[in-house]
Amino acid sequence: SAVISQKPSRDICQRGTSLTIQCQVDSQVTMMFWYRQQPGQSLTLIATANQGSEATYESGFVIDKFPISRPNLTFSTLTVSNMSPEDSSIYLCSVEGPTNEKLFFGSGTQLSVL
Amino acid sequence: SQKIEQNSEALNIQEGKTATLTCNYTNYSPAYLQWYRQDPGRGPVFLLLIRENEKEKRKERLKVTFDTTLKQSLFHITASQPADSATYLCAPLLNRDDKIIFGKGTRLHILP
Repeated sequence: SAVISQKPSRDICQRGTSLTIQCQVDSQVTMMFWYRQQPGQSLTLIATANQGSEATYESGFVIDKFPISRPNLTFSTLTVSNMSPEDSSIYLCSVEGPTNEKLFFGSGTQLSVL
Repeated sequence: SQKIEQNSEALNIQEGKTATLTCNYTNYSPAYLQWYRQDPGRGPVFLLLIRENEKEKRKERLKVTFDTTLKQSLFHITASQPADSATYLCAPLLNRDDKIIFGKGTRLHILP
């Protein structure tokens, strides 16, 4: 299994500012995934991050709003830019298990935008 | 478009009874279906995967069924315990390389 450390665990931010969330994995992985979970909603995939290439964004999510870095095989960051209260959510990073049959998740970042 | 439905109402079950959660999907035919558990303030944790050619899968007190005709999966917890209280998410996949899309989850409360 993979152990994922995500930080910060929570933050309260002002409208118009940006927050960068870090995700560190204890093993090398090809793909890392970023999800958003809004209150009472399911997890929604934001983007898939491969090392050495640009992230692939899902419909409704754009790079200018959610820039992602993937500098190596164990680390990724997601930035939530120019935040508004609608961005208040839990943000989760995840990686696939070795057989691609399950995901391992970090404990999430609870973001509140005032 | 693909749609996943889980009972949005919380499910209250008496300790010791069997809890049964439902996952229905429409507009696609997944080859795999995953179930995850999520506790408040934590990321989801993988529990079980069932393939389309498997009618049933068991792991300790957990049992999952997969009915491709009804487009439904049932998730059972037998001899339920208060520690089983959590939100349970299903995630049907078209294939192993498919991106994982989750249902909204069902909140389960096991009452002592």
